[in-house]
Amino acid sequence: KNEVEQSPQNLTAQEGEFITINCSYSVGISALHWLQQHPGGGIVSLFMLSSGKKKHGRLIATINIQEKHSSLHITASHPRDSAVYICAVRSASGNQFYFGTGTSLTVIP
Amino acid sequence: DSGVTQTPKHLITATGQRVTLRCSPRSGDLSVYWYQQSLDQGLQFLIQYYNGEERAKGNILERFSAQQFPDLHSELNLSSLELGDSALYFCASSVFHTEGGYTFGSGTRLTVV
Repeated sequence: KNEVEQSPQNLTAQEGEFITINCSYSVGISALHWLQQHPGGGIVSLFMLSSGKKKHGRLIATINIQEKHSSLHITASHPRDSAVYICAVRSASGNQFYFGTGTSLTVIP
Repeated sequence: DSGVTQTPKHLITATGQRVTLRCSPRSGDLSVYWYQQSLDQGLQFLIQYYNGEERAKGNILERFSAQQFPDLHSELNLSSLELGDSALYFCASSVFHTEGGYTFGSGTRLTVV
């Protein structure tokens, strides 16, 4: 069993739709990260969370430490949001990172 | 440009060989992280350095080693290469050794033939 599970694996949305990607983890963590990987391969760190909620433009990330669950929301989705979104956690000891397998998002104009 | 520089961008080498991947962190960042991304295993954390010292060690093979130099750039050495080592190797940097967001380099694509 993977320490980090993401859902869905694949997601296709129409431009303008509200999108939610979920991440559940099974280990104690010091922080959770949401990463975006574009088709060219480059990775961008979107958020780092240890509690609560963060917002950046049309992106919102939330985390519930008790339930070991995080969500990434994209409001008013756009074709340029098409990418793979990866959830990653840093262990409570800080000595290990665990990654989800990613959610491949395609936003159709 | 993220500010994290990785060289080379592409590398093709034969099995059994040794290669060195280089990473220059963003200005002001003291931590450097190395990750491997392969098709079958996804992203995996290899190792972290903070201000020249090893801070965390992940799934790094004994054939692999890394170091961070006084100017804060880092090198990942991969030896006795196998076909299965073919992957994208990413470096990321951050200001603190445990906190803060990360800035990723564009990666080095290693192909072992």
